[in-house]
Order: sequence, then structure tokens, then C-alpha cells
Amino acid sequence: NAGVTQTPKFRVLKTGQSMTLLCAQDMNHEYMYWYRQDPGMGLRLIHYSVGEGTTAKGEVPDGYNVSRLKKQNFLLGLESAAPSQTSVYFCASSYSIGGSWPQHFGDGTRLSIL
Amino acid sequence: DAKTTQPPSMDCAEGRAANLPCNHSTISGNEYVYWYRQIHSQGPQYIIHGLKNNETNEMASLIITEDRKSSTLILPHATLRDTAVYYCIVRAYMDSNYQLIWGAGTKLIIKP
Repeated sequence: NAGVTQTPKFRVLKTGQSMTLLCAQDMNHEYMYWYRQDPGMGLRLIHYSVGEGTTAKGEVPDGYNVSRLKKQNFLLGLESAAPSQTSVYFCASSYSIGGSWPQHFGDGTRLSIL
Repeated sequence: DAKTTQPPSMDCAEGRAANLPCNHSTISGNEYVYWYRQIHSQGPQYIIHGLKNNETNEMASLIITEDRKSSTLILPHATLRDTAVYYCIVRAYMDSNYQLIWGAGTKLIIKP
């Protein structure tokens, strides 16, 4: 049972570079989420998806793009990385949003922008 | 803004019950309260959730007040491995959609 898998686990970028973070889930969940977590703070929602082919903005979407081409995958893109995007990024999935369905999280991607 | 209020930190002796409070005074009638924990920067781990009634599972118990404005997570026999940041979360309607809003949580330290 893999659950939610994030790749890569660590990455160092230079300012202005681009990259894509991949999230994969094997639980057939409809909802998927990307969060960022800065030191000493809770998680902040970047973007989320309510199903294949759909995406929506969360609390802090600026500087990020997402795609959900397949139900099991949710990609987070940084087109031009900035030092302010240095953070730990977590992906999550759930059967539904809220209600009686909790979110399941991956182990995170630690991203440093120099 | 977070929809919940939690103390920033708490201590508990190993083997004792850890009681973590949470205020959610603006919770709506059909909204669940969720509890997660995060151990040393790992991915958050789901613990328990509830609506109106008290809930118990293999990890913890959740006590929700009758007016639903606050709740308490109880770890009945805390161990050193329960040292973590505990998050109490409710759903909020933002930007035309429902989102789970995470606060800073309570850092629980279990002491030997």
C-alpha cells in the first residue's frame, strides 16, 4: 500500500529555474491537494483538484501552476523559482473534501531556492 | 485566518493522558472537526474526526462540547513517540469552495 507518493524528496534550484513536483496516489481518491509548509507554521493550501481535469486555487496560489491529467496524479509546477518559494511541499488526497473523509498525506518534498 | 485556536505548546509525562484543547467557536452545524499530527516534519498523519458525538479509535478519543464550540483530543497513555505537533482543523468556505484551514497547531512534548 503506497498511499500518496511524492517525487522528488529533495531538490535545490537556482532562482529563475523551473521544475515540476509529482504526486501520485493509489487510493482512487477524487480530491488532491498541494500544500506548502514554512518553518514553525501550519500548512497552507496552494492548489487543489476535485477530479481529473479540474483544478482550483487555494490560499497561496501565486507563482505555482498545477495539472491533473490523470486521476491518480497531481503535478505542481514552478515556472520561475524564487527564494520565497523555499519550503516543504506536501501533497494529499481524499475521497471528498470535508465531510467524513480525512486527507492522506505524502512524506513531502523539501525544496530550496538559492 | 485559521478557524481554530490551540495553545502553542504543552507538556505531558510519559504514561499519563495528554489532553489537547481546541476552540472552534465559529464552526457550522454540519462541519466536522479533524485532528492530525505531524512528527518531526513528516507528512501529517490523520488521527480522528467528529461531528457531534464523542469518538474513539485505536489512537485517541475526541470529546466535543455540546455547543460544538470546542473539543479535546485525548491520548490516553502518552508515549515518547507521541511527541509531535497536533493540528485541530475545521472546514472553511473560501473563494467559492470549501478548504481545510490549518493553524500553527500545538507542539506536544512527552517527557520521560
